[in-house]
Amino acid sequence: AQKVTQAQTEISVVEKEDVTLDCVYETRDTTYYLFWYKQPPSGELVFLIRRNSFDEQNEISGRYSWNFQKSTSSFNFTITASQVVDSAVYFCALIELSNSGYALNFGKGTSLLVTP
Amino acid sequence: EAGVTQSPTHLIKTRGQQATLRCSPISGHTSVYWYQQALGLGLQFLLWYDEGEERNRGNFPPRFSGRQFPNYSSELNVNALELEDSALYLCASSLSERDVFQETQYFGPGTRLLVL
Repeated sequence: AQKVTQAQTEISVVEKEDVTLDCVYETRDTTYYLFWYKQPPSGELVFLIRRNSFDEQNEISGRYSWNFQKSTSSFNFTITASQVVDSAVYFCALIELSNSGYALNFGKGTSLLVTP
Repeated sequence: EAGVTQSPTHLIKTRGQQATLRCSPISGHTSVYWYQQALGLGLQFLLWYDEGEERNRGNFPPRFSGRQFPNYSSELNVNALELEDSALYLCASSLSERDVFQETQYFGPGTRLLVL
């Protein structure tokens, strides 16, 4: 069963638009970590943010913001005033305490295209 | 500080051959993870090494194997290559001083393996 669902496979926006990438996760654990990674065309996964299950505070980092809501099992990512350099595939991922393998469970990713 | 490095960047093999992929973790990191990113299948966990030992493996056949050296670098070996092994292979590393569950995984640029 898919533990992390990113329902949006592709999103296309024009530069300077705001865009929200959705992530819904499934877990029975009370202790878990959520991540967002960015994969530009070069292929390398770039770490963006980590959030533990006990910290529901939203976070803002420059043009990026994250909205974590345990009630809806969602960890959405918003890019404000998007730029062409934001074009990439974005992955949401989950690690659960009960998962002794400590492997990241990735969503399928959302491909974001920002056009000038 | 140098990030995770992987070699080679590209590798072309034919069916039935063996491939060896290499990964050097971030200095101070002792855990190394391998992931496969095949077209249409997303990011799948392959193997996790910590302190020289295999701690967990994903749902892959035994012809996928590896090892971790005393300097914490790692090799991934794929024997009897099949066409569907063509993928981007990503290596990640993390600290494991406390509980590796809590540590962020940082990824390398990957090795693109093409099996003809």
